[in-house]
Amino acid sequence: NAGVTQTPKFRVLKTGQSMTLLCAQDMNHEYMYWYRQDPGMGLRLIHYSVGEGTTAKGEVPDGYNVSRLKKQNFLLGLESAAPSQTSVYFCATTARTYGYTFGSGTRLTVV
Amino acid sequence: QKEVEQDPGPLSVPEGAIVSLNCTYSNSAFQYFMWYRQYSRKGPELLMYTYSSGNKEDGRFTAQVDKSSKYISLFIRDSQPSDSATYLCAMSVETNAGKSTFGDGTTLTVKP
Repeated sequence: NAGVTQTPKFRVLKTGQSMTLLCAQDMNHEYMYWYRQDPGMGLRLIHYSVGEGTTAKGEVPDGYNVSRLKKQNFLLGLESAAPSQTSVYFCATTARTYGYTFGSGTRLTVV
Repeated sequence: QKEVEQDPGPLSVPEGAIVSLNCTYSNSAFQYFMWYRQYSRKGPELLMYTYSSGNKEDGRFTAQVDKSSKYISLFIRDSQPSDSATYLCAMSVETNAGKSTFGDGTTLTVKP
C-alpha cells in the first residue's frame, strides 16, 4: 500500500544518547517534512526537504539534523538527546503545495 | 501571537448534532486551507482542502473560508461517534515549499 512509513514507532532514550528516525515514502513525492507534536503546541516544523539532496530548517530545528540522500527517505537525527525533545514525531509528504500524507508517528521519551 | 489560532475545545456533543470547528489566522498570504482529522495515537489524515474563499462540501462535511475575515470553519452534520477525534486546521502559501502552518487542534467527542 502506498504511504509513509516511520520507524521506530516507540523509543526511550537517555539524556545525551543519539538516534535516527527514518521516514520512507513510496508515493514518489518531492516534498518531505518532519514535525513534532506536543500538547498545547500543535504541530511544529523541524526540517523539510524539497527534493533529493536538499534540506532546510523549519521553525524548531535546534538539536536536530536531517538528510535526504534518496528521494524516498528522509532521516531525522538527534545527536545528543535532551528531555525537551520528548515528543511525538511525524513525517509528512506531499506532491503539491497543500495536503500532506502523514506517517503514523514515533513516540520518543528522553529520560 | 500565533499565525493560526484554533478554538481550543474540547467539544462534546450528542450523536446527530451539527458541529462547528473554527480557526482564525493573521497571514493574508495564505491561499490553501486544510482540515485534518487525527484519531488518538495516529497520524493526521487530510479531510478536506479549499483554495481561496468559498465553501466546499463532501458528504457530511462542509468547509468554509472567509478570507475577508481571516476565518475558516468546518461543519459536521449528523455527527457520529466515529467522528470523535482531534481536528486540525492548516494553511499554506503556494510559493512556500509546501509548508503548512497548523492550528493546535480541537478535540471532539460525539456521544451515542
